[in-house]
Amino acid sequence: GEDVEQSLFLSVREGDSSVINCTYTDSSSTYLYWYKQEPGAGLQLLTYIFSNMDMKQDQRLTVLLNKKDKHLSLRIADTQTGDSAIYFCAETRTPTASKIIFGSGTRLSIRP
Amino acid sequence: GAGVSQTPSNKVTEKGKYVELRCDPISGHTALYWYRQSLGQGPEFLIYFQGTGAADDSGLPNDRFFAVRPEGSVSTLKIQRTERGDSAVYLCASSSRSGDGHNEQFFGPGTRLTVL
Repeated sequence: GEDVEQSLFLSVREGDSSVINCTYTDSSSTYLYWYKQEPGAGLQLLTYIFSNMDMKQDQRLTVLLNKKDKHLSLRIADTQTGDSAIYFCAETRTPTASKIIFGSGTRLSIRP
Repeated sequence: GAGVSQTPSNKVTEKGKYVELRCDPISGHTALYWYRQSLGQGPEFLIYFQGTGAADDSGLPNDRFFAVRPEGSVSTLKIQRTERGDSAVYLCASSSRSGDGHNEQFFGPGTRLTVL
């Protein structure tokens, strides 16, 4: 199977929380990332978490890591129209991080 | 300062032709990466340079693909005998080690390659 898996689509109402989920297969993952990609724009790193942590919060973003189940989630509080984008879950497997392994991305759409 | 830049932003070529894609990393970044993103997919790793040398080229799909970074700054991705399946957005990233050991990669806007 794929190294990093995500659902393809998520639709939420403006102002609600969005939760994007991801599963990965390699237990040696060192850093886990969430990237955002907007149309015509480059990949933007939103946040990352080291594998020895189980939670990280950064303003409206909360990352939860369940290492036992190899499950990563990104919660966006008070979702706004500007949050519409594709969100990629990704991992690296060494501390010095050469290649990043990306999931296929979750397209988040916001409805009024 | 300026981010990672890539030229051209779009490239249309015919099957069988040779193309070069250029990446200018962030000044001072020693590591440079190339990824390929096909439609509807996440980026896939191609090659990673530390300085002038290719530290990991395990993602290059075949010997038609080659990349260089002769002076440890600008890099060129070269594709020979292009095929329609090479059509994708080619992304470049650069990085420098941060204080906690984390190695954030900063991505450029990409070059969209279309092979007719």
